[in-house]
Amino acid sequence: GQSLEQPSEVTAVEGAIVQINCTYQTSGFYGLSWYQQHDGGAPTFLSYNGLDGLEETGRFSSFLSRSDSYGYLLLQELQMKDSASYFCAVPPGKRNDMRFGAGTRLTVKP
Amino acid sequence: ETGVTQTPRHLVMGMTNKKSLKCEQHLGHNAMYWYKQSAKKPLELMFVYSLEERVENNSVPSRFSPECPNSSHLFLHLHTLQPEDSALYLCASSQVLRGQGYNEQFFGPGTRLTVL
Repeated sequence: GQSLEQPSEVTAVEGAIVQINCTYQTSGFYGLSWYQQHDGGAPTFLSYNGLDGLEETGRFSSFLSRSDSYGYLLLQELQMKDSASYFCAVPPGKRNDMRFGAGTRLTVKP
Repeated sequence: ETGVTQTPRHLVMGMTNKKSLKCEQHLGHNAMYWYKQSAKKPLELMFVYSLEERVENNSVPSRFSPECPNSSHLFLHLHTLQPEDSALYLCASSQVLRGQGYNEQFFGPGTRLTVL
């Protein structure tokens, strides 16, 4: 089966850097994605890693190590608007849907 | 706006009612999904319509019934629901290629359902 583990909560201050980790177990691996969800909003796609290494998109970066079944989302120069829940997600095998982690609640303080 | 719309945004219903949730995507995608999001739980996939096939989560009760008349519209028919079915129901769409892991999902704003 598939399972994803990520911390339930993280707190940081404005301007800081925070890393949200995700470990996964899947039957076959087809990439790791990250989504952001603000309170009352819908999840929005942030990034995808299909291969090992770092993908950078502005202040956000995502890393994958397939040998360790591990990835992380790195948020730099934190802003108050980054306060949200962040989900890692994997496709469960070759099916065309996504399995989401329980989410990490990020709180950015002044 | 993500190009995925859902109606209604809020719904309160009794356990004996029958209602339907509607989703429409304007992105030309070939896959649509229903997810359930309950407080403090992961997003739970309910149903997928993708590349002309339907996939369903076997743990979803039969009181939830999906319908996908075409690639742009998706419905979730609800009947004799239970209070524990109260949750945010999210629709999503994506453009999928067989065997590809990249599957960016575009979510609608959700329907907040309360079952009394």
